[in-house]
Amino acid sequence: EDQVTQSPEALRLQEGESSSLNCSYTVSGLRGLFWYRQDPGKGPEFLFTLYSAGEEKEKERLKATLTKKESFLHITAPKPEDSATYLCAVQIAGAGSYQLTFGKGTKLSVIP
Amino acid sequence: SQTIHQWPATLVQPVGSPLSLECTVEGTSNPNLYWYRQAAGRGLQLLFYSVGIGQISSEVPQNLSASRPQDRQFILSSKKLLLSDSGFYLCARTEGAYGYTFGSGTRLTVV
Repeated sequence: EDQVTQSPEALRLQEGESSSLNCSYTVSGLRGLFWYRQDPGKGPEFLFTLYSAGEEKEKERLKATLTKKESFLHITAPKPEDSATYLCAVQIAGAGSYQLTFGKGTKLSVIP
Repeated sequence: SQTIHQWPATLVQPVGSPLSLECTVEGTSNPNLYWYRQAAGRGLQLLFYSVGIGQISSEVPQNLSASRPQDRQFILSSKKLLLSDSGFYLCARTEGAYGYTFGSGTRLTVV
């Protein structure tokens, strides 16, 4: 069974304290791995897509990396406005209609 | 624009009442459309997807149903709501390399 596990479930950081969120996956064939940001009461917002092991993507204070078994979302010198739930999702090769399987998310709180 | 419109934003319904949530999308024609549910403490769960008008695939057996009467319209319905139907309902469309674009969601509370 295809699974996506995110850790930790929740993370509290002081402003400026860098850290990483983890997304581990067991799938039968990865087409792509996606990271989303979700603010309370809103729909998820796209951040990154990674397709192959070794690939890295960056956007402002965020950097996503991918290995054959997991992905990391590194947050450098976070600010309070980075507080949100971060979702990881995988797209399986051969799956119909581009379905995504999501993890439960990591709730990040950045304290001023 | 690839905007997705969902309404209502919040809804409180009694057990046993019917439900109709509507999603309309802008942009390219013949999009793949999805309904997801996000319950407290759980991940996003795919409920239905549609690759075209009148074409609906169900991922989870339940008392919900979906319809796609027009190319850019996707409707989620129920004849009789259960307490377990409470959650945050999201409509989405695929955007190729960007995965999904999501709507703003509907918070449903069944009382």
